[in-house]
Amino acid sequence: GQQLNQSPQSMFIQEGEDVSMNCTSSSIFNTWLWYKQEPGEGPVLLIALYKAGELTSNGRLTAQFGITRKDSFLNISASIPSDVGIYFCAGRPGRIEGAGNNRKLIWGLGTSLAVNP
Amino acid sequence: DVKVTQSSRYLVKRTGEKVFLECVQDMDHENMFWYRQDPGLGLRLIYFSYDVKMKEKGDIPEGYSVSREKKERFSLILESASTNQTSMYLCASSLLGDGRGTQYFGPGTRLTVL
Repeated sequence: GQQLNQSPQSMFIQEGEDVSMNCTSSSIFNTWLWYKQEPGEGPVLLIALYKAGELTSNGRLTAQFGITRKDSFLNISASIPSDVGIYFCAGRPGRIEGAGNNRKLIWGLGTSLAVNP
Repeated sequence: DVKVTQSSRYLVKRTGEKVFLECVQDMDHENMFWYRQDPGLGLRLIYFSYDVKMKEKGDIPEGYSVSREKKERFSLILESASTNQTSMYLCASSLLGDGRGTQYFGPGTRLTVL
């Protein structure tokens, strides 16, 4: 199936550093979502973006819906040890074929974040 | 808050056994999904359902079937478990009227097939 290009694949940073990760697609998207998954748990929604150019914050997290509708980024400022986990981007394509496919999300492979205290 | 629960957090089965993974959501969501997650492969969609008794194949349906007899419950069935089905299984749900497609996940079931 289709996948988003998410980078970097992994990051190992010092506590207090800022983090940036992004997702790109070859086609346009109507929605960009960012999830975090902690070890042994299911993904939890962090930020949802619905309009091109939209910039949304959730505490130390900031995400933007790219103006071309083909990309999104997530920034984490002043990282702390509890930021450890896998961050996934997901999106809902702008042009969808198939009756059921408007319910599906397209996923990136995730960015694994490790924070050294 | 949306709550999605899965019947087991950890499950160990033997090759050839029939395995049932159950998922229940309490927010009256129309859409439900089953994914499997393997290291380096991200989340891969197995099946999804957009109404009772309705189902559609995802990207990797081979070796799996599903059942949705009630709106709140979506079951994943491994007819004859094999070792390559050892994985983390995640259930999710979303609201049909939410055109944005936001999905809410359960905690996952880690299945080991010996």
